[in-house]
Amino acid sequence: EAQVTQNPRYLITVTGKKLTVTCSQNMNHEYMSWYRQDPGLGLRQIYYSMNVEVTDKGDVPEGYKVSRKEKRNFPLILESPSPNQTSLYFCASSPKQGRTEAFFGQGTRLTVV
Amino acid sequence: AQSVTQPDIHITVSEGASLELRCNYSYGATPYLFWYVQSPGQGLQLLLKYFSGDTLVQGIKGFEAEFKRSQSSFNLRKPSVHWSDAAEYFCAGMFSGGYNKLIFGAGTRLAVHP
Repeated sequence: EAQVTQNPRYLITVTGKKLTVTCSQNMNHEYMSWYRQDPGLGLRQIYYSMNVEVTDKGDVPEGYKVSRKEKRNFPLILESPSPNQTSLYFCASSPKQGRTEAFFGQGTRLTVV
Repeated sequence: AQSVTQPDIHITVSEGASLELRCNYSYGATPYLFWYVQSPGQGLQLLLKYFSGDTLVQGIKGFEAEFKRSQSSFNLRKPSVHWSDAAEYFCAGMFSGGYNKLIFGAGTRLAVHP
């Protein structure tokens, strides 16, 4: 089954403790991205990757890192989480640019206390 | 700047009533347009999409959307709402040169009264 898998689904952590949210897709998609969802703001792009070893900032990249060492995986790293990063995070993938839709993971609800 | 606007934050309708959720986009060229639904505690589900061609698009769960270039709009409609349609709805645009980036509206939360 074609899917985007995120882990964990729920995470509570303390300020400053490094964490990684994993994302994996099995559709051989070139394009992957991370979004965060906040009430009243919709979803905003954090980082994206056009292909292996190619990543770039989205609209709200501060406090986040990503890597794309393999085509299928695109982890989101919070080196020193802060309470303002409490949010719902979505990973998405899509084929090369064109007439295409994005496929979303189930989301990761992160709480930083 | 590229943007997608959903003017209504909350909408309440009675079960069986018709529904229209508004979405406007701001940009020169027409983006690819999408409607997603998010049920409580769930991820995003694609309802329908518009790339080009026929301006009336049919989606899943009985939803449809109409693209109107003159109004820069892509409104979502359903003729008869069911209680299970209560959810948050997001309109999104994929703009040219945006490297498959989706720009989302703020969302419209739909409540359905019995």
